[in-house]
Amino acid sequence: RKEVEQDPGPFNVPEGATVAFNCTYSNSASQSFFWYRQDCRKEPKLLMSVYSSGNEDGRFTAQLNRASQYISLLIRDSKLSDSATYLCVVSALGAAGNKLTFGGGTRVLVKP
Amino acid sequence: DADVTQTPRNRITKTGKRIMLECSQTKGHDRMYWYRQDPGLGLRLIYYSFDVKDINKGEISDGYSVSRQAQAKFSLSLESAIPNQTALYFCATSDFLGETQYFGPGTRLLVL
Repeated sequence: RKEVEQDPGPFNVPEGATVAFNCTYSNSASQSFFWYRQDCRKEPKLLMSVYSSGNEDGRFTAQLNRASQYISLLIRDSKLSDSATYLCVVSALGAAGNKLTFGGGTRVLVKP
Repeated sequence: DADVTQTPRNRITKTGKRIMLECSQTKGHDRMYWYRQDPGLGLRLIYYSFDVKDINKGEISDGYSVSRQAQAKFSLSLESAIPNQTALYFCATSDFLGETQYFGPGTRLLVL
């Protein structure tokens, strides 16, 4: 089983609609959680951190469920520019400091 | 100007050749990383460094070596390239917490 698993998609979303997807992680000692965005043929960039109480950044809402070991990302009022791959990233403390584990990504395609 | 740069951006080489990928950063971070990305597998850590001359193996270090001679530079070498090293390679930096990573634009490597 992969340490961090994501549905690869693609999620085909009409412009203006809401889309949500999850990421599951296997290490119960994981401490920090993030969503990164990666555009086609580009580098990943931090989208948002995920806090225990859930957090919002504009049209993006991230949630953490420690009991079931998953995080989620919801995008409201989808824009064409939201088309990208969204990477789930989980951090756990290892022998050499924080270790980040990346999921394979969920591809989102927003269509007119 | 980009904070993290990589050279070359694209490289085609033949099996058995030695190649070097370079990474430079102007963020002043001590921590630097090399990842490879393959479709559906997410980013996998090859090597990382927490300071000049500090080298640590990641999860897939076999067939690779690195050098960290200066804070701003971290180079990755493939001593004898093989076709399954064909991938997209990213360099990244982080602060001492190691949780938010800043990626370079990537190097596309094709080994024939």
